[in-house]
Amino acid sequence: AQRVTQPEKLLSVFKGAPVELKCNYSYSGSPELFWYVQYSRQRLQLLLRHISRESIKGFTADLNKGETSFHLKKPFAQEEDSAMYYCALSANSGGYQKVTFGTGTKLQVIP
Amino acid sequence: NAGVTQTPKFQVLKTGQSMTLQCAQDMNHEYMSWYRQDPGMGLRLIHYSVGAGITDQGEVPNGYNVSRSTTEDFPLRLLSAAPSQTSVYFCASSYTGVYTEAFFGQGTRLTVV
Repeated sequence: AQRVTQPEKLLSVFKGAPVELKCNYSYSGSPELFWYVQYSRQRLQLLLRHISRESIKGFTADLNKGETSFHLKKPFAQEEDSAMYYCALSANSGGYQKVTFGTGTKLQVIP
Repeated sequence: NAGVTQTPKFQVLKTGQSMTLQCAQDMNHEYMSWYRQDPGMGLRLIHYSVGAGITDQGEVPNGYNVSRSTTEDFPLRLLSAAPSQTSVYFCASSYTGVYTEAFFGQGTRLTVV
């Protein structure tokens, strides 16, 4: 079974402070990991994915297979980063892909 | 370029009523899915489909029905609405494959009274 855990429901940081949104996963094989973001009154959208190894809007995420983690980081938080963030795991399950989302972390950036 | 379109955006139902949430995509994606979003529980998979004529249950399928007669459409039917089905529902689509990005609809906020 695949599982994604986001331990923090709410993370409040001051503008300019570093941000780390935690994500831990459990899966016996090699999954693909994603971060999705939902800004206020907007639909969920992809922020970044592990395979792309890219930085989007200053955010990065490193896959640590030893700790089974995929934490999202940004060195300096901006007010526009305030949103709901979901970590997701995509893997083959019974011949089909299955995507499992975490419970989400609300990031609140305080001016 | 519409992407994933869900209708309606808001709906209020009485307990026991049935209704269908519509989802359509114009990206020729094989994979479509329905999630419900509840506070503190994140997104939970209700049903998914890997192509026309093929559907399967997700994590929380009870009380919901789906069909996939075309590539474009993936309606979600509530058979007999219950207050526990009050939630925000999201439809998503993607190409098949674990590396692909999911595209989401704008959501349907459903209240069952």
